[in-house]
Amino acid sequence: NAGVTQTPKFQVLKTGQSMTLQCAQDMNHNSMYWYRQDPGMGLRLIYYSASEGTTDKGEVPNGYNVSRLNKREFSLRLESAAPSQTSVYFCASSERDSDSYEQYFGPGTRLTVT
Amino acid sequence: AQKITQTQPGMFVQEKEAVTLDCTYDTSDQSYGLFWYKQPSSGEMIFLIYQGSYDEQNATEGRYSLNFQKARKSANLVISASQLGDSAMYFCAMREGPSWSSASKIIFGSGTRLSIRP
Repeated sequence: NAGVTQTPKFQVLKTGQSMTLQCAQDMNHNSMYWYRQDPGMGLRLIYYSASEGTTDKGEVPNGYNVSRLNKREFSLRLESAAPSQTSVYFCASSERDSDSYEQYFGPGTRLTVT
Repeated sequence: AQKITQTQPGMFVQEKEAVTLDCTYDTSDQSYGLFWYKQPSSGEMIFLIYQGSYDEQNATEGRYSLNFQKARKSANLVISASQLGDSAMYFCAMREGPSWSSASKIIFGSGTRLSIRP
């Protein structure tokens, strides 16, 4: 049982390049999330998907797109990377029918845009 | 709009002492949930404890307890008998709305860095 996996673990991009961050969970959760964490700060929600086939904007969606490919996978795309998108990106999943709605986090992707 | 405030950027505590990490929140919903997560230097997010807005008793998980004061909108984390391994960033988070709602999302505070002195 791997939980939540993210690829890649590290990435360096030049300004203007594009890339897709991949996330998969094997816990059969309905809800999935993408967060970014800037140095010394908390997590800010970029996008989330309450269930397969739906996606919604979070606090900081500008410059990102997402795809809920199926129940397991939720990808985050940067179409034209900017230095302000240098951050650690976390994917998370949860089962909204549970009492606590606890989120399970992936290990993170450290992205640097030069 | 929902908001989480953690006013202590950093704290130093002597090993074996108890420590309280502060968290206040703002929401207009009656149904919500409050969480605490630990983030060690390795970077992973570790779930510690949860309190639902309708729970009458404070949540406890081993050495962790959540001091929930609904009228004051505070949800402080208490760690008893602190250990060196407790040194980490601690984040308070809130889910606004009932857990079954597809619109529910979780937001995080800015965190408190806890350092335990031997």
